[in-house]
Amino acid sequence: RKEVEQDPGPFNVPEGATVAFNCTYSNSASQSFFWYRQDCRKEPKLLMSVYSSGNEDGRFTAQLNRASQYISLLIRDSKLSDSATYLCVVSRASGNTPLVFGKGTRLSVIA
Amino acid sequence: GAVVSQHPSWVICKSGTSVKIECRSLDFQATTMFWYRQFPKQSLMLMATSNEGSKATYEQGVEKDKFLINHASLTLSTLTVTSAHPEDSSFYICSARDRLGRLNTEAFFGQGTRLTVV
Repeated sequence: RKEVEQDPGPFNVPEGATVAFNCTYSNSASQSFFWYRQDCRKEPKLLMSVYSSGNEDGRFTAQLNRASQYISLLIRDSKLSDSATYLCVVSRASGNTPLVFGKGTRLSVIA
Repeated sequence: GAVVSQHPSWVICKSGTSVKIECRSLDFQATTMFWYRQFPKQSLMLMATSNEGSKATYEQGVEKDKFLINHASLTLSTLTVTSAHPEDSSFYICSARDRLGRLNTEAFFGQGTRLTVV
């Protein structure tokens, strides 16, 4: 079983739609959780960290359920510019531990 | 935000030659840097953890003699792909986290190097 698993995608949605991505992780020792965004042939960029209480950043809302080892990302009012691959990322701790990436979910927002 | 600079951004080389990729943290110190590889439509896979002043730690299945890592200073790590073959063609990317090690510290990525071996 992969350490981080995501919805396979791709998700093709119209502008203005709400879309949700799910992710599960297998390592219960995981401490830090993130969503990254990766555009084609580019490096990943941090979208948002995910906290146990859930957090929101504009149109983006992230949720974490430690008991279920489940992470979600909700995107409201999708824009064309949201088209990218969204990576669910975890790490065991802070600092000098590597990030473990999910395979990513491809989102295409269509006009 | 912190910046990690990776060079070159792309390289084409002949089979059997070696390629060196550099990764620099520009405004913070990184005692540890991570090297990933990404094949098309696949996730980033950790290859090795580069530790300043000591030997790198390689993930299972990654040949340490083929992928040479040097981390000579707190701001520079290099990955050398030795005797490259077409199956080594991939997107190589480095990453570093702030050495202060605060929880939920994001990782900063280099721009990545697209290697094509012909």
